[in-house]
Order: sequence, then C-alpha cells, then structure tokens
Amino acid sequence: QSVLTQPPSVSAAPGEKVTISCSGSTSNIGGSFVSWFQQLPGTAPKLLIHSNNKRSSGIPDRFSGSKSGTSATLGITGVQAGDEADYYCGTWDHSLSGGVVFGGGTRLTVL
Amino acid sequence: QLLLQESGPGLVKPSETLSLTCSVSGGSIDSTSYYWGWIRQAPGKGLEWIGSSYYSGSTSYNLSLKSRVTIPVDTSKNQFSLRLSSVTAADTAVYYCARGTMVPDFWGQGIRVTVSS
Repeated sequence: QSVLTQPPSVSAAPGEKVTISCSGSTSNIGGSFVSWFQQLPGTAPKLLIHSNNKRSSGIPDRFSGSKSGTSATLGITGVQAGDEADYYCGTWDHSLSGGVVFGGGTRLTVL
Repeated sequence: QLLLQESGPGLVKPSETLSLTCSVSGGSIDSTSYYWGWIRQAPGKGLEWIGSSYYSGSTSYNLSLKSRVTIPVDTSKNQFSLRLSSVTAADTAVYYCARGTMVPDFWGQGIRVTVSS
C-alpha cells in the first residue's frame, strides 16, 4: 500500500490529452513540493517535473504539473507512442516516519 | 555530466547482508546541497525509498527498513554504499542509487538483486 494514491492505469489515443492524479495528506503533498517521474519499460525512473510544476531539463512542454492542497496532477498533451510508460508521483513526508514517499505508479497506455 | 553506477553481487543468500556500491562521476559527493540515497523496485511493483545520507553523516531511513539499513558515504572514493542485513526473498528487487534534495533528481541505471539460496 503506497502512501500516495494514483490510478493504476490511464489510456489515451495519440494526440489526446491525459491527466494522472496523485492524492496524499497534509504531512506529505500538503506540506512539500511534488515531483513526477517517468519510467519507460526496462529503464530507470527519470525526473519529469519537480517543485510541483517545473519541468526538468530537456522535458518538453507537453508535460505539466500542478498541485492543490493535498493532491497533485500530471498532464500530458499531444500524447505520443513514446510516452507509454509508468508514471510515479513523489514527495517528502514530514510525519514521524519521514522520508521520500511515492505513489503506486500509473501505467499510461497509448491506444 | 553526472553519472551514477551501481555495482555488487546479483545474488545474495537469505539471512546474509546485501552490499551494493554506487560510484559517482561528473560530480562531487561532498556537496552540501545533495543527499545520496537508495530506492528499490520489487518485480512488477512500485518504487520504495530505502534511505539517504549526506556526506556530513546525516541520515534518513525508511522506518520499515531502518533496523537493517546503513548508507555510508566515502568521500575519498566519491562513492556511497548500501548495507541491508538479514535479507529475505522479499528483498529481491532492482536497486537504484540516486542523488537528491527532497526527492531523488538523478538516478543510476539500477542493479538487479535476487535473494535465494
């Protein structure tokens, strides 16, 4: 059971827009910046978005992030076949346990 | 350009200690801005943060693993390590080393470790 909650899967046709949600609590998303990671099949995760909405170097502006309260959203416009991957949200948890917490991951399928 | 490279045995026996090393090139491990940490991913599962260390010695560990984990930093070799004791089959995973601030921002390619006799 992951600390942050994501939908297991989303799908979109090429060219469409898709959003992925990430829900947490006041001890994590509510009090920290949110990041998003893309994990292409068989590869290591790569940072897409940091500080809620800032794209990492080299990431196209088709990818965007936002945060409101204890939830965050990753948006992908103009979906491409190469975007098919697992997407994870992550943040720092300020509770007694502390540390980095991740969502369970969302598999994006391009139809 | 920063490069993180994991190394270590791909097979560990149950009850033994898993030891991995992450070699850092293209950057200095004694930066005050970053921590050096480990994340793992069990087969078909999501990401699990193991813990992190600053070169100064400050550490933060996943509570569920804290009693079994240490992450020492060796500035003389520009590398850091993971020591996970008393492993079981549940510790079978791909282990990633990473640099981070609040969350990991740069990851190694990962190393697959299987716990089996």
